[in-house]
Amino acid sequence: DTGVSQDPRHKITKRGQNVTFRCDPISEHNRLYWYRQTLGQGPEFLTYFQNEAQLEKSRLLSDRFSAERPKGSFSTLEIQRTEQGDSAMYLCASSPDAGAGLNNEKLFFGSGTQLSVL
Amino acid sequence: AQTVTQSQPEMSVQEAETVTLSCTYDTSESDYYLFWYKQPPSRQMILVIRQEAYKQQNATENRFSVNFQKAAKSFSLKISDSQLGDAAMYFCAYRSYWAGNEKLTFGTGTRLTIIP
Repeated sequence: DTGVSQDPRHKITKRGQNVTFRCDPISEHNRLYWYRQTLGQGPEFLTYFQNEAQLEKSRLLSDRFSAERPKGSFSTLEIQRTEQGDSAMYLCASSPDAGAGLNNEKLFFGSGTQLSVL
Repeated sequence: AQTVTQSQPEMSVQEAETVTLSCTYDTSESDYYLFWYKQPPSRQMILVIRQEAYKQQNATENRFSVNFQKAAKSFSLKISDSQLGDAAMYFCAYRSYWAGNEKLTFGTGTRLTIIP
C-alpha cells in the first residue's frame, strides 16, 4: 500500500492553456474523490467516482473541467482554457467501497497538485 | 446543505500543554460522521480522529480526544501533551451516514502553532 499518489506535484501554466492532473488511488479502493483547496480555505468537493462511474459533480465543476476514471483505476482531471481563478491545490482522495467494513467512511488523501495560472 | 464552521483561524500552545480546537456544524440529518484532519506543510491530509454521531461516547486516539455535543452541534478537538509535530492546519469535516452522499464538507481550518 503506497497511498494515494498525485502527479504532478506542481504545475505552472499560462492563462488559456489546458492542464491535466493524474491521481492513482490506493489499489483496493473503489471510490475516488477530487477536491479543490484555495489558500486559507478548507478543501471543496468537486466530484467523485464509484469505480468508473462519476456519481456526483459539484456546481464548482464548470464546463471547462472534466474528470475521468477509465477502468476504475487511476483518474484524470482536466481543466481547459485555464483562468487565474483556477489557481489552487487539487487534492485527490480514495476510500473503500461502502459495506467494505470498518473504515469505509475514511478518506485517504494524496499530497495534491498545486496549480498556478499566470 | 451541511455547513462546518471553525471560528479560530489560528491557535498556539506551549509544548506539552493542552489545546482545544472548536468546530460547529449545521445539519438536518440525525446520522453522520465527523472528522478532524491534520494538514502539515507536506500538504497531505491525515485523519486524526473520527466520531460516529450515533455513538454517545467521545472518540479518543492517544493524545487526541473530542468533545461531541450532538444537540449543540459542536465537535471540538482536544490535543493533550502538545508536541512540535502537532503543528499544522486542522480541519473539521462532516460526512453524511447515508450511501450516495459520501462527500466530506470541510471547515476553513485552524492553524495550530506549537511554542517550544
